[in-house]
Amino acid sequence: TQLLEQSPQFLSIQEGENLTVYCNSSSVFSSLQWYRQEPGEGPVLLVTVVTGGEVKKLKRLTFQFGDARKDSSLHITAAQPGDTGLYLCAGARYGGATNKLIFGTGTLLAVQP
Amino acid sequence: DTEVTQTPKHLVMGMTNKKSLKCEQHMGHRAMYWYKQKAKKPPELMFVYSYEKLSINESVPSRFSPECPNSSLLNLHLHALQPEDSALYLCASSQPRVAGSWYTQYFGPGTRLTVL
Repeated sequence: TQLLEQSPQFLSIQEGENLTVYCNSSSVFSSLQWYRQEPGEGPVLLVTVVTGGEVKKLKRLTFQFGDARKDSSLHITAAQPGDTGLYLCAGARYGGATNKLIFGTGTLLAVQP
Repeated sequence: DTEVTQTPKHLVMGMTNKKSLKCEQHMGHRAMYWYKQKAKKPPELMFVYSYEKLSINESVPSRFSPECPNSSLLNLHLHALQPEDSALYLCASSQPRVAGSWYTQYFGPGTRLTVL
């Protein structure tokens, strides 16, 4: 079974702090997506990374795909209450006959004003 | 436009009812998905349609019946559900796996289902 472990599982911080969320696996993925989900809503795509070592920036969010394409990180600078939500990484592997994503275990972030 | 729409937003049903969830996308995607999600947990894949044909059924009970009438629409028919089926049901779409496809899936807002 392919597993994507996220850490930390829960994170409560004050507005203005920085944080990093990790997404780790023993399997190689061809691409990896990060989503943010608010309560009662669907996951919203933040980024897709496809190349080992790739770094992408989205305003205060920085995403990195590990060199071996087994892990990824999400760094948020100067967190704001609007960043609150469930962060999910999801990996995809080519070569199979199916269109399946492997979702991470999730990180629940609360940013206090 | 990366919008996937789902109706209804909320649904309350009894265990003897028959209801349907609807999903629609106009991005030209030829793969569509149903997921079930419990609170604060990652989505669990239920079904995948590729080119309007069912390609994956993750051993979902027969009280859930998917249907893909055309390339833009995906339905989930519900019958004789149990209270433990209460969850957020998410629809997603993507391009199917072809060379250069990154598997990026776009999700709808979900239907919050409560089974009494």
